[in-house]
Amino acid sequence: EAGVTQSPTHLIKTRGQQATLRCSPISGHTSVYWYQQALGLGLQFLLWYDEGEERNRGNFPPRFSGRQFPNYSSELNVNALELEDSALYLCASRIRAYNSPLHFGNGTRLTVT
Amino acid sequence: EDKVVQSPLSLVVHEGDTVTLNCSYEVTNFRSLLWYKQEKKAPTFLFMLTSSGIEKKSGRLSSILDKKELSSILNITATQTGDSAIYLCAVDSNYQLIWGAGTKLIIKP
Repeated sequence: EAGVTQSPTHLIKTRGQQATLRCSPISGHTSVYWYQQALGLGLQFLLWYDEGEERNRGNFPPRFSGRQFPNYSSELNVNALELEDSALYLCASRIRAYNSPLHFGNGTRLTVT
Repeated sequence: EDKVVQSPLSLVVHEGDTVTLNCSYEVTNFRSLLWYKQEKKAPTFLFMLTSSGIEKKSGRLSSILDKKELSSILNITATQTGDSAIYLCAVDSNYQLIWGAGTKLIIKP
């Protein structure tokens, strides 16, 4: 069974640009989560999608947005990039909205210069 | 406000030692508690606990939930250098996952 896949692995952008990160969940998983992990810090919840709908978002500005497609894959968009957006962005999926383990992808390392 | 607190924040032990990591929580609607190990990038799933008092075991790792004390412990016996990682605890509550800050475990040879 293929795991959660994220692309690209690394992304380098300059301040003010836009970044798009992609995630394919495990087959059969309908819930997708996005997390930001800055260097040396914990997981910060960004967004949760389930069955194509945004169910919850973390305490991030509106320039962080995303969507979930009919095949349950997801993308995260970050507009007007700032230096502090440099971080590892992790996507995770699970088979249902609760009481099931999250499975993480290997992440996209975003560097903003 | 829902919160999950892990202790200690960091721990250094020697290979062969046994360690106990703690996770305590205060949430409005507890559904389950999950443990993860994070080495370089992606956290990997270890255990999911829903019932109090039932130990989950995988090799040298084990975990148990105490709903009365609102806590869980993760035990690692006969530690190896490969156990060095950040161990994360998360609680499923009201359709959201609340994460602890993690325990950084360093195993010295």
